[in-house]
Amino acid sequence: DSGVTQTPKHLITATGQRVTLRCSPRSGDLSVYWYQQSLDQGLQFLIHYYNGEERAKGNILERFSAQQFPDLHSELNLSSLELGDSALYFCASSPHGRGGRGTGELFFGEGSRLTVL
Amino acid sequence: AQSVAQPEDQVNVAEGNPLTVKCTYSVSGNPYLFWYVQYPNRGLQFLLKYITGDNLVKGSYGFEAEFNKSQTSFHLKKPSALVSDSALYFCAVRGSSYKLIFGSGTRLLVRP
Repeated sequence: DSGVTQTPKHLITATGQRVTLRCSPRSGDLSVYWYQQSLDQGLQFLIHYYNGEERAKGNILERFSAQQFPDLHSELNLSSLELGDSALYFCASSPHGRGGRGTGELFFGEGSRLTVL
Repeated sequence: AQSVAQPEDQVNVAEGNPLTVKCTYSVSGNPYLFWYVQYPNRGLQFLLKYITGDNLVKGSYGFEAEFNKSQTSFHLKKPSALVSDSALYFCAVRGSSYKLIFGSGTRLLVRP
């Protein structure tokens, strides 16, 4: 158990809908990273938050947004869903961000499997 | 830009034989390299990392990796494979903002 909790584990929805994925990082970790894993794209970095602030953006679509709350949990919002958004969405946490604390590895949750029909 | 490449989509080995999963990297500056394993319907689990120091890094479950600067490689190895090692393995390099940039993954299949 990595200590990172993601909900829901599975989600089935229709095209055009909006969903929210939730992540609770390990206790004490200030950084949250979101990744998308699809069959043809591998593991793609989406976005990084550190202590409530956005720190880096990757290949995140404009239809997607995220935030990190004062209690450090994070939510990834996916809207106007398309068939191609079907994927596993992972959250990872670490103590890093500014300052370089920690030894580099990220701790991953079990993922949220999104199926868009 | 930092990147890693895993040239093999799949590696097949017999149980008890040594295994190698290949990874090459491209970075500016000193590389911070990682290996993760993913079992079916699970998240990624950290195996080992190279930050600095000895070129042979030992990790979880009997895995080790050899850092080779001249060949820009960081191959994952295990002296004796187990059927339970069958999984998807990812090599990663640390990028900006401390995020990890992953390779495409290599599926390891260990035959009984």
